Amino acid sequence: DSGVTQTPKHLITATGQRVTLRCSPRSGDLSVYWYQQSLDQGLQFLIQYYNGEERAKGNILERFSAQQFPDLHSELNLSSLELGDSALYFCASSSARENIQYFGAGTRLSVL
Amino acid sequence: AQSVSQHNHHVILSEAASLELGCNYSYGGTVNLFWYVQYPGQHLQLLLKYFSGDPLVKGIKGFEAEFIKSKFSFNLRKPSVQWSDTAEYFCAVRDSWGKLQFGAGTQVVVTP
Repeated sequence: DSGVTQTPKHLITATGQRVTLRCSPRSGDLSVYWYQQSLDQGLQFLIQYYNGEERAKGNILERFSAQQFPDLHSELNLSSLELGDSALYFCASSSARENIQYFGAGTRLSVL
Repeated sequence: AQSVSQHNHHVILSEAASLELGCNYSYGGTVNLFWYVQYPGQHLQLLLKYFSGDPLVKGIKGFEAEFIKSKFSFNLRKPSVQWSDTAEYFCAVRDSWGKLQFGAGTQVVVTP
């Protein structure tokens, strides 16, 4: 167990819908990262937050957004979903001291 | 832009055989390198990391990796694999912002 909790584990929804993925980082970790894992794109960095502030952005679509709350949990919002958004979405957290990212179990999103 | 290249997409070998997975990176700054493993249906787990110092690093489960700066490589090795090593292995480089750039992954299947 990495200490990073992601909910839900599975999500099945239809095209055009909106979903929210949740991540609770390890205790004390201020940084949260979101990654997308798909068969054709592999593991791609989406976005990073540090102590509530956006720190870095990767290949994140405009239809996607994220935030980190005062209690440090983070949410990834995916809207106007398309079939191609079906993927595993991982959250990771790290501390500034350790510089190692610990990954959650992921949320498997299926868009039908 | 940084990139990570993993040489093999699929490797099949027998128990007790030796394993070597290639990883080459392209990054202009100070490199922090990682190998992660993803067992079937599980989250990414850190196998080992290189930040600085001894270029031969030892990780968990008997894995080791060698950083060769002149070749921009960080190859993963295990002298004798077990069936339980069946998994997907990812090489990653961390940039100055902290995000990880992953290779495409290598699916390793160990047959009894």
